[in-house]
Amino acid sequence: DTGVSQDPRHKITKRGQNVTFRCDPISEHNRLYWYRQTLGQGPEFLTYFQNEAQLEKSRLLSDRFSAERPKGSFSTLEIQRTEQGDSAMYLCASSLGQGGNTEAFFGQGTRLTVV
Amino acid sequence: GESVGLHLPTLSVQEGDNSIINCAYSNSASDYFIWYKQESGKGPQFIIDIRSNMDKRQGQRVTVLLNKTVKHLSLQIAATQPGDSAVYFCAENGAGGIQGAQKLVFGQGTRLTINP
Repeated sequence: DTGVSQDPRHKITKRGQNVTFRCDPISEHNRLYWYRQTLGQGPEFLTYFQNEAQLEKSRLLSDRFSAERPKGSFSTLEIQRTEQGDSAMYLCASSLGQGGNTEAFFGQGTRLTVV
Repeated sequence: GESVGLHLPTLSVQEGDNSIINCAYSNSASDYFIWYKQESGKGPQFIIDIRSNMDKRQGQRVTVLLNKTVKHLSLQIAATQPGDSAVYFCAENGAGGIQGAQKLVFGQGTRLTINP
């Protein structure tokens, strides 16, 4: 296992189209996170899964955004009716939850450009 | 609200010198802090973490200092190398979330440039 994998690395889409990103976490990690990062800023938390359960969602996650982790392994993030403001790097991270804080490992991200 | 900020957006250091990157946080309830390194076009890379019951932790060429009294965090990189050039983010585990969840609040970042 070489770490957190995200696909695609880059996505260009027209405004109004739907896009879906995939994240494969480190295999034994039960916690999975999605973050969004705009140019020159730090990542912002979007949502968090423990196994297949989505336990927390940021208010940044509008109704057009939906995330799933159906089998507790890989996750998908879908954005419907994309807007130019959705252009950003979407980062996935995973960690091994054992009750306390443990380090999260990030993937390389999916850079979304909405034109 | 929660915020994590950095004192300097850019820092230039001569190769071989030591560097110190500072960070202020506002949430006194934060109990876990992490430093990440991010190179252009890549995701953040974990450097070192520290829990609130500690005030210092050392890794390979890096040291993190935590001053809870003034809510300040710093990252010291010893004997800097060209490969240390990157943007460095401090992050805190946002209070109120699920215990252990990495609901991290990131600062804006400091760009560290190592000059040959």
